[in-house]
Amino acid sequence: LAKTTQPISMDSYEGQEVNITCSHNNIATNDYITWYQQFPSQGPRFIIQGYKTKVTNEVASLFIPADRKSSTLSLPRVSLSDTAVYYCLVGDYGGSQGNLIFGKGTKLSVKP
Amino acid sequence: EAQVTQNPRYLITVTGKKLTVTCSQNMNHEYMSWYRQDPGLGLRQIYYSMNVEVTDKGDVPEGYKVSRKEKRNFPLILESPSPNQTSLYFCASSLAKTNSPLHFGNGTRLTVT
Repeated sequence: LAKTTQPISMDSYEGQEVNITCSHNNIATNDYITWYQQFPSQGPRFIIQGYKTKVTNEVASLFIPADRKSSTLSLPRVSLSDTAVYYCLVGDYGGSQGNLIFGKGTKLSVKP
Repeated sequence: EAQVTQNPRYLITVTGKKLTVTCSQNMNHEYMSWYRQDPGLGLRQIYYSMNVEVTDKGDVPEGYKVSRKEKRNFPLILESPSPNQTSLYFCASSLAKTNSPLHFGNGTRLTVT
């Protein structure tokens, strides 16, 4: 099972780009990398997912190097509403692997 | 609307009084799981189920039970709650295929006195 390591917290200002890196040295061949966002008193919600290279959607970009031992979530031009905890999850969940290990997450604080 | 519904949202109980937290999803998902969230510890998986009648332990299963008699429901049972089970609990579901993202409920905040 791939264990993940993320920074505990990050601070940013409105309008800046924020990059949160997750380390997952023992990622397996079938594992995908997924990022979730969690606001206080709410369940985490899916942001973006990738397997390799770069993935972009309307909310974020995900950069995955060739060795896949890390990944970087990029949030362009953050606003106050992006203040949340961000979790990186690595696994083949839903497929053959049911035991999922979340990291402790990165608490992002966006200031005006 | 596709969703995972947990009940109750808040629950205060006393040590030793059996309780059940319900979880239901309307997306026909095979995979369901329970997590607890404590300050500084992130999300830790309690139990998961790959399909009906198939359940398995996660990382912190002690003191909890689950059942999966129907595809849509996955209740979490605390037979004899203790104060160290005071926590925020989340249920999640997904399709049982690779890279299917998890859908989470809004959580149940449990306090055991």
